Amino acid sequence: GAVVSQHPSWVICKSGTSVKIECRSLDFQATTMFWYRQFPKQSLMLMATSNEGSKATYEQGVEKDKFLINHASLTLSTLTVTSAHPEDSSFYICSARKASGSKNIQYFGAGTRLSVL
Amino acid sequence: AQKITQTQPGMFVQEKEAVTLDCTYDTSDQSYGLFWYKQPSSGEMIFLIYQGSYDEQNATEGRYSLNFQKARKSANLVISASQLGDSAMYFCAMREAGTASKLTFGTGTRLQVTL
Repeated sequence: GAVVSQHPSWVICKSGTSVKIECRSLDFQATTMFWYRQFPKQSLMLMATSNEGSKATYEQGVEKDKFLINHASLTLSTLTVTSAHPEDSSFYICSARKASGSKNIQYFGAGTRLSVL
Repeated sequence: AQKITQTQPGMFVQEKEAVTLDCTYDTSDQSYGLFWYKQPSSGEMIFLIYQGSYDEQNATEGRYSLNFQKARKSANLVISASQLGDSAMYFCAMREAGTASKLTFGTGTRLQVTL
């Protein structure tokens, strides 16, 4: 397997503040990481693909200026929710792709529950 | 059209019994990958098993096996000898060629293992 660490696991913030979430691959290098959002009792929705050393690729409908992604190293990607509002409250989960022949399995972090007051 | 369809929102299985979670997919690609993940109430997504479209044999990982029927476009997960700790949401996902490894997830099946 492979280990992906996500921090913090839970954050409460005031409306208008920014929140940074970190995603680290602990025992493998990941040129590609992914950020998802999950609403209660729903499936995962891909927000963006984070590529090491280049700009992230955002899915349609995701505001890139609101959800800033930085993938500065082969083991770390960060998601910053800027000027957070209550509607941004959600479960955010990252994954890191481990290249292994044709498999390229995504290993996930434990997720971050964001509550914006 | 849905790319990944999981028709069972919830399933119950008795401890030590086997259970099959259904997944059908839709793609016109010849090369693709199919995945199953488990999400306990804690929220983490745990990788269970992978099946490549060109793999001739069904994938197996311990108590998990994938019943891959390519012509029917189905990739059902079979859990043998269910345990209480298997209670969780289970998501089927597909990766298509040329999508930079992006995964498309189904809506999930909630499995409850009972005594």
